Amino acid sequence: QKEVEQDPGPLSVPEGAIVSLNCTYSNSAFQYFMWYRQYSRKGPELLMYTYSSGNKEDGRFTAQVDKSSKYISLFIRDSQPSDSATYLCAMTQGNSGGYQKVTFGTGTKLQVIP
Amino acid sequence: EAQVTQNPRYLITVTGKKLTVTCSQNMNHEYMSWYRQDPGLGLRQIYYSMNVEVTDKGDVPEGYKVSRKEKRNFPLILESPSPNQTSLYFCATYYYNEQFFGPGTRLTVL
Repeated sequence: QKEVEQDPGPLSVPEGAIVSLNCTYSNSAFQYFMWYRQYSRKGPELLMYTYSSGNKEDGRFTAQVDKSSKYISLFIRDSQPSDSATYLCAMTQGNSGGYQKVTFGTGTKLQVIP
Repeated sequence: EAQVTQNPRYLITVTGKKLTVTCSQNMNHEYMSWYRQDPGLGLRQIYYSMNVEVTDKGDVPEGYKVSRKEKRNFPLILESPSPNQTSLYFCATYYYNEQFFGPGTRLTVL
């Protein structure tokens, strides 16, 4: 069983829709959770970063963490064609100046249709 | 501009012909990694480095070598490439849980 599971999609939605992207994980030691966005032919870029259970909002994006269920989500409101990309969840066990191994999900490909 | 650069961006080669993919960063980050990205398998770490002359294996190190002689550079070496190393490769730096990725190198081994 993979430590992090993510539905690969693809997910197609009309412009303006609310998008829900999800990951589940099995390692209860994971404490820090991230979402990366990867456009075609580009490297991933950090989109959001959360630590505690609950919601964190940044513009049209909301990251949600439920540690009791080992489940994280990314919601995109008023989705735009420019949101079309692959979204990867990622997580680590700690947060310090020292190196922490990052475990990635396989990514969900999102297409927002105008 | 803070960035991670990789060269070449695209490479087609033949089995057994040694190659090096270069990676350079201008952010003065201590930690650097190499990943390969394959459909259905996601990003898998090949090697990482915590500082100059300090490197360690990631999840899929077989068939790869790295070196870290300078803080800014972290080349990936394939001594004898094989077709199963055909993949998209990313170099990344690491700073307080955030990874900064290069643009990727698409490698095809025939």
